[in-house]
Amino acid sequence: GAVVSQHPSRVICKSGTSVKIECRSLDFQATTMFWYRQFPKQSLMLMATSNEGSKATYEQGVEKDKFLINHASLTLSTLTVTSAHPEDSSFYICSAPTAGGNPYNEQFFGPGTRLTVL
Amino acid sequence: QKEVEQNSGPLSVPEGAIASLNCTYSDRGSQSFFWYRQYSGKSPELIMFIYSNGDKEDGRFTAQLNKASQYVSLLIRDSQPSDSATYLCAFSRSYIPTFGRGTSLIVHP
Repeated sequence: GAVVSQHPSRVICKSGTSVKIECRSLDFQATTMFWYRQFPKQSLMLMATSNEGSKATYEQGVEKDKFLINHASLTLSTLTVTSAHPEDSSFYICSAPTAGGNPYNEQFFGPGTRLTVL
Repeated sequence: QKEVEQNSGPLSVPEGAIASLNCTYSDRGSQSFFWYRQYSGKSPELIMFIYSNGDKEDGRFTAQLNKASQYVSLLIRDSQPSDSATYLCAFSRSYIPTFGRGTSLIVHP
């Protein structure tokens, strides 16, 4: 199956710093990628849809100025958590459908990034 | 009403038994349905997808879809301790998937 990687897998930072998370599709091109956040014992919550070459689409309640998304190429999307605070500590996961906007395509998930803000 | 409803469990079954996981959804326009397995601390991995009413079998897994009743289920035959995980139901109407909270499955020896 398709492979999606994420980096870093785990990051610990001080409050007020910014953290960048990378999501790469390794063996296919992804014009669309999704960013999720998952708190313990909770479901995946879609944060935003990352579109190659255009602005990301954010879900209601997600601050676009705090969670900056850049999808600069067909294989790379980045999520930057700016001025991170302890409440931003969570498991961040990206995913990509294997064939663009086809609703029948399954999502391939990256391994996730565990962010801990002290 | 939540878009995707799953019993959070835990569902506990003995090794070798059939585990039955259920999911209901509210969007009648949903086109595709997925079951993902998520181990603790890991990201979800796709187990099965189903688009048409009826059953779809893949090894020990069977997905069942009933669009009229708006439910989808997952049966796991000959359950193994390694099947212990959280199972997420998801559907998509456009290309954006919506996930349920997941059902925790425990398979005990």
